[in-house]
Amino acid sequence: NAGVTQTPKFRILKIGQSMTLQCTQDMNHNYMYWYRQDPGMGLKLIYYSVGAGITDKGEVPNGYNVSRSTTEDFPLRLELAAPSQTSVYFCASSSRDRGPDEQFFGPGTRLTVL
Amino acid sequence: QKEVEQNSGPLSVPEGAIASLNCTYSDRGSQSFFWYRQYSGKSPELIMFIYSNGDKEDGRFTAQLNKASQYVSLLIRDSQPSDSATYLCAVNNDMRFGAGTRLTVKP
Repeated sequence: NAGVTQTPKFRILKIGQSMTLQCTQDMNHNYMYWYRQDPGMGLKLIYYSVGAGITDKGEVPNGYNVSRSTTEDFPLRLELAAPSQTSVYFCASSSRDRGPDEQFFGPGTRLTVL
Repeated sequence: QKEVEQNSGPLSVPEGAIASLNCTYSDRGSQSFFWYRQYSGKSPELIMFIYSNGDKEDGRFTAQLNKASQYVSLLIRDSQPSDSATYLCAVNNDMRFGAGTRLTVKP
């Protein structure tokens, strides 16, 4: 199993550009999450999904959009990038079907908006 | 506003000592609590979770939960240089994370 994979690893955007951060998991987890982590800070939840076709806002959703058409994929869309969106973005997945709700994280995407 | 607060770091302990990491939360209805370790430049990984009041031990790690005081802690016994990392407290009702405490274990 590859676990949770994210692409790209690094990206530099100009103000106003758009991009999609890709996230794929091969663990058949029903729950998927997008977080951002600013330097020296904890994780802030952007959006999450409890299954294909179902998404909901987290703590900091403004400026982002998501979709969940399959169990495996949960892309995050940035429209009209702003310097405030410079951050490291982590995708995570979990299964709440049994045991603790351990989240498995991808390696992260480091995004800089100039 | 629901909050998860962690003791400000950085925390530095000598090798072999006990490291104590603390976390408080504001949502009294919170049910599950997690400790993640994050090495510099890497993604978080789960160390322990705790649901019930009291202590839970796993090797050198002990999680302590006191729901009445809305307090959860992580003790690391016999600290090793490889324990040097940032430790994140998470309250899983709405996936809120604390800002993290950076721990350095000095040889």
